[in-house]
Amino acid sequence: ETGVTQTPRHLVMGMTNKKSLKCEQHLGHNAMYWYKQSAKKPLELMFVYNFKEQTENNSVPSRFSPECPNSSHLFLHLHTLQPEDSALYLCASSQGHTQYFGPGTRLTVL
Amino acid sequence: DQQVKQNSPSLSVQEGRISILNCDYTNSMFDYFLWYKKYPAEGPTFLISISSIKDKNEDGRFTVFLNKSAKHLSLHIVPSQPGDSAVYFCAASAGGSSNTGKLIFGQGTTLQVKP
Repeated sequence: ETGVTQTPRHLVMGMTNKKSLKCEQHLGHNAMYWYKQSAKKPLELMFVYNFKEQTENNSVPSRFSPECPNSSHLFLHLHTLQPEDSALYLCASSQGHTQYFGPGTRLTVL
Repeated sequence: DQQVKQNSPSLSVQEGRISILNCDYTNSMFDYFLWYKKYPAEGPTFLISISSIKDKNEDGRFTVFLNKSAKHLSLHIVPSQPGDSAVYFCAASAGGSSNTGKLIFGQGTTLQVKP
């Protein structure tokens, strides 16, 4: 398995549910990222982890909770989301400037 | 305040012709620029990049030009192919030699290449 993988690819959840998104990178990179892409908007950086330490939280609401247990795995825990949180959530990893993206999780909040 | 702007939401070109995608930025601290291509239901794929110490970088059919004084970069695709039809994102970083380059993305340009 190569590159950056994300599971699940699609997720539908109610506002009271708790769910988690998973990202795994097989590139040996030290940095991992969560992005949000809403319709007709640029990719928005949410969190940055470098060597498992969170180095950036881009004013993300606390209903999104990241976890990085090691340099290869990144999670995004979701709790009491709102319908406006429906979007494509992308994970990326890097070793330098170039970031490599996973396929994304299409999240729908009902 | 959008630091990276792609002012053309869409572009349509004929197969075999040149596609030129444009990107403007406002932050003079940006020192590294990248182009990504995105198909529906997939993540962005890295295409080509350029450091601010250069004004041109070429990779096969793809060439990126950087004009620092105008804070403008462009991606040229020649010849364009129908498989190039996708959304193209410009991104910029002010990370220097840091290995956690925070990227700022433009809003994307949808390219359609007609057979």
